[in-house]
Amino acid sequence: DSGVTQTPKHLITATGQRVTLRCSPRSGDLSVYWYQQSLDQGLQFLIQYYNGEERAKGNILERFSAQQFPDLHSELNLSSLELGDSALYFCASSVNWGTEAFFGQGTRLTVV
Amino acid sequence: AQSVTQPDIHITVSEGASLELRCNYSYGATPYLFWYVQSPGQGLQLLLKYFSGDTLVQGIKGFEAEFKRSQSSFNLRKPSVHWSDAAEYFCAFYGSSNTGKLIFGQGTTLQVKP
Repeated sequence: DSGVTQTPKHLITATGQRVTLRCSPRSGDLSVYWYQQSLDQGLQFLIQYYNGEERAKGNILERFSAQQFPDLHSELNLSSLELGDSALYFCASSVNWGTEAFFGQGTRLTVV
Repeated sequence: AQSVTQPDIHITVSEGASLELRCNYSYGATPYLFWYVQSPGQGLQLLLKYFSGDTLVQGIKGFEAEFKRSQSSFNLRKPSVHWSDAAEYFCAFYGSSNTGKLIFGQGTTLQVKP
């Protein structure tokens, strides 16, 4: 158990819908990262937050947004969902950038 | 561009045989390097890391990796593979010094023959 908790584990939704994925980092970790894993794209970095502030942005679509709350948990919001958004979404946390990141079990999103 | 290359998409070894998974990175300085393992349906588990110092690092589950600056490589090794090692292995590094973007390779799937 990495100490990073993601909910829900599985999510099935229809195209055009909006979903929210939640992540609770390890105790003491200030940095949260979101990654998307798909068969054709591999592991893609989406976004990083550090202590509530956006720190780095990767290949995140405009339809996607994230935030980190004062209690350090984070949410990834995916809207206007398309079939191609079906993937595993991972959250990871670390004390700071440059230290080892620990990953949650992921949320498997299926868009039908 | 900053990138990680894992040249072997799929490797099959016999149980008890030695293993080496290759990883090459492209970066202008010495990066912080990691190996992660992902079992089917699971998250990524950190095997080992290299930040600085001794270029041979030990990790969990009997794995080790060697950083070779001259070859821009960070290959993962294990002297004797167990059936439970069958999984996908990812090499990764932190690139730019001012972000937390962890850059991953495409992964190597390890199959273990009995």
